[in-house]
Amino acid sequence: KNEVEQSPQNLTAQEGEFITINCSYSVGISALHWLQQHPGGGIVSLFMLSSGKKKHGRLIATINIQEKHSSLHITASHPRDSAVYICAVRSQNTNAGKSTFGDGTTLTVKP
Amino acid sequence: DAGITQSPRHKVTETGTPVTLRCHQTENHRYMYWYRQDPGHGLRLIHYSYGVKDTDKGEVSDGYSVSRSKTEDFLLTLESATSSQTSVYFCAISWGTTYEQYFGPGTRLTVT
Repeated sequence: KNEVEQSPQNLTAQEGEFITINCSYSVGISALHWLQQHPGGGIVSLFMLSSGKKKHGRLIATINIQEKHSSLHITASHPRDSAVYICAVRSQNTNAGKSTFGDGTTLTVKP
Repeated sequence: DAGITQSPRHKVTETGTPVTLRCHQTENHRYMYWYRQDPGHGLRLIHYSYGVKDTDKGEVSDGYSVSRSKTEDFLLTLESATSSQTSVYFCAISWGTTYEQYFGPGTRLTVT
């Protein structure tokens, strides 16, 4: 079992739908990172959080430390949201900020 | 923009040849990382650096070496490239107490 599990692996939605991507992890962490990667593109940081909730535009990230779970929500999804969304965790016992990455969730939003 | 560049952006090389990839940052941040990204796998850490001449191995370091002689440059070397090292390589940097990582644009390496 990987330290970081994302679900679903693939997700197809219609434009305007509310999207939820989940990330579960098995170790104690000091922070969790959500990243976005467009097809053929680079990797962009969306959120870094260690508790609670963060919001940026139509994106919302939440984390429940006790349940070792985080969710990324996209409201009013748009075709330009189509990308791979990656969850990464930094464990409490790591040094130099090393992180463990999930395999990513591929989101396709159809017009 | 965290000021990270990678060179080359694309490279095709033959099995057995040495290859060096360069990661350059403009902000003199302390931590730098090399990852590889392959279908079916998440980003996997090859090597990382926590200062000039201070480097350590990641989870997939076999066949790779690194050097950091200046704060701004982190070099990844494949001493003798193999087809299993065909991949997309990403460099990342981080700093401070949050260690939030910022990624370079990636290098697509094909070993034939």
